[in-house]
Amino acid sequence: GDSVTQMEGPVTLSEEAFLTINCTYTATGYPSLFWYVQYPGEGLQLLLKATKADDKGSNKGFEATYRKETTSFHLEKGSVQVSDSAVYFCALSDYTGGFKTIFGAGTRLFVKA
Amino acid sequence: SAVISQKPSRDICQRGTSLTIQCQVDSQVTMMFWYRQQPGQSLTLIATANQGSEATYESGFVIDKFPISRPNLTFSTLTVSNMSPEDSSIYLCSVYRSTNTGELFFGEGSRLTVL
Repeated sequence: GDSVTQMEGPVTLSEEAFLTINCTYTATGYPSLFWYVQYPGEGLQLLLKATKADDKGSNKGFEATYRKETTSFHLEKGSVQVSDSAVYFCALSDYTGGFKTIFGAGTRLFVKA
Repeated sequence: SAVISQKPSRDICQRGTSLTIQCQVDSQVTMMFWYRQQPGQSLTLIATANQGSEATYESGFVIDKFPISRPNLTFSTLTVSNMSPEDSSIYLCSVYRSTNTGELFFGEGSRLTVL
């Protein structure tokens, strides 16, 4: 079945550091890929998405490119801020008679001032 | 974007009791989803609630433990029955933001602690 694997956390960075959170997936179809973010005490919200191979999703300085050849959707940001401290979830949504969303385990990011 | 309101936002419950979580959406939606997020864990789909029919439960979740109601196109409830400390989790209500991609929109969650 479909699955999502993302790098374990927590990840601790200093402000203005470069961020990469790795995410790889397995899917039988042609899924859409997402990064969701959960700030402390809040529900999940969409950070960015890509719906087909080679698409790049971007938002708030974060980027991720849908790589079909490596089945990856790594999240990157060039310069993190303290306010980026949150849990990041990679997810895929595959349509097999109805959408099914699979979430990765989540990666907690701490950014120090 | 849809606005999803969940009640309660948090609660502390005694073992053996039941609690009902409400989810209100500000627009009509066909499908509503209930997820569980155990401490430090990812999200697990409990069930899909369709208006006018029985909820569809995922493997490992049963109606007796997590009864769901869906009386109309904007509202659903999830009950956590006969709670134990293992039920301490965040319970999240969700709807499709896009039916083309499967993108989800979430409520802020209901954080339950069972003593």
